[in-house]
Amino acid sequence: RKEVEQDPGPFNVPEGATVAFNCTYSNSASQSFFWYRQDCRKEPKLLMSVYSSGNEDGRFTAQLNRASQYISLLIRDSKLSDSATYLCVVMRNNNDMRFGAGTRLTVKP
Amino acid sequence: EAGVVQSPRYKIIEKKQPVAFWCNPISGHNTLYWYLQNLGQGPELLIRYENEEAVDDSQLPKDRFSAERLKGVDSTLKIQPAELGDSAVYLCASSKGLAGETQYFGPGTRLLVL
Repeated sequence: RKEVEQDPGPFNVPEGATVAFNCTYSNSASQSFFWYRQDCRKEPKLLMSVYSSGNEDGRFTAQLNRASQYISLLIRDSKLSDSATYLCVVMRNNNDMRFGAGTRLTVKP
Repeated sequence: EAGVVQSPRYKIIEKKQPVAFWCNPISGHNTLYWYLQNLGQGPELLIRYENEEAVDDSQLPKDRFSAERLKGVDSTLKIQPAELGDSAVYLCASSKGLAGETQYFGPGTRLLVL
């Protein structure tokens, strides 16, 4: 079993839709959590950090449930430009980051 | 501020040949990472450096892979000899090394072994 598991996708949604991605992690000692975005044939880029209290950045909301070892990302009012692969990332206390396999999102007109 | 620089961007070689990748991290970033990413998968750590010291190389296939960061700045990852299964994207990332600090990735080197 992988340390970070994500919905495999792909998710195909119309513009304006709300879409949610889920992620679970197995190492209870994990300290920090992130969502990265990766466009086709590009490098991963930080989308947002995930805090225990939940956090929002515009149309994006991230939530963390440490007890369930579960992370989520909600995208509201999807745009065509949101089409990408979203990587769930978990960091151990030694700054060792573990990545999920990613969930691919395609937003269609 | 310049990002993480990697070269070459693309490399095609025949199996059993050697290949080397170069990375220059963001200025001031003490921690440097090399990752391997296969199609449809997330990046997988090969080696992590704190300055010039390799602090985690447990996932580096040491029979054919080697890396160095001699002056604690730029780094080289080498494969010798390359195998067909080494075809992948090799990503370099850097961070300040502070607790919880995120990493910044370079554009990667796309390797194809024929």
